[in-house]
Amino acid sequence: EAQVTQNPRYLITVTGKKLTVTCSQNMNHEYMSWYRQDPGLGLRQIYYSMNVEVTDKGDVPEGYKVSRKEKRNFPLILESPSPNQTSLYFCASSQAGGSPLHFGNGTRLTVT
Amino acid sequence: QKEVEQDPGPLSVPEGAIVSLNCTYSNSAFQYFMWYRQYSRKGPELLMYTYSSGNKEDGRFTAQVDKSSKYISLFIRDSQPSDSATYLCAMSVNTGGFKTIFGAGTRLFVKA
Repeated sequence: EAQVTQNPRYLITVTGKKLTVTCSQNMNHEYMSWYRQDPGLGLRQIYYSMNVEVTDKGDVPEGYKVSRKEKRNFPLILESPSPNQTSLYFCASSQAGGSPLHFGNGTRLTVT
Repeated sequence: QKEVEQDPGPLSVPEGAIVSLNCTYSNSAFQYFMWYRQYSRKGPELLMYTYSSGNKEDGRFTAQVDKSSKYISLFIRDSQPSDSATYLCAMSVNTGGFKTIFGAGTRLFVKA
């Protein structure tokens, strides 16, 4: 089954404790992206990757890091999480930039 | 001003009604236009995808794009309780890499 898999689904952590949210897709997609979803603000792009080793900032990249060492994986790293990063995070992939996105089921992160 | 404006609702309609959902945008460079549906605790899923002005129909759903007015719409005919969800408009632009901007989403309730 074609899918985007995120882990974990739920995560509670404390300020400053480094964490990684994993994302993997099995569709051989070139384009991958991370979004955060907040009430009233909708989905905002954090980082995206056009291909392996090619990443770029979205609209809200501060406090986040990404890497794309393999085509199927695109982890999101929060090196020093803060409470304002409490949000619902989605990973998505598509065949190419501009193509329809396939989303994972989200990771709900709470930073206390 | 947000690049993409979408009325968050909520919008409540009786079963069988025609639903009209709308978004306006400010960036005339947007090339691709999409509508996604998001159920609670799930990732968004693609409903409609288009790249030109005009109408596109798929079953009970019709997407309409008016590039001259910077306005897109989604019409749902014969609405069903299972259509109750949040509907997100999205637009993509090639800025050297592709960025996809989402509206805030409209919550729709279809009453049986």
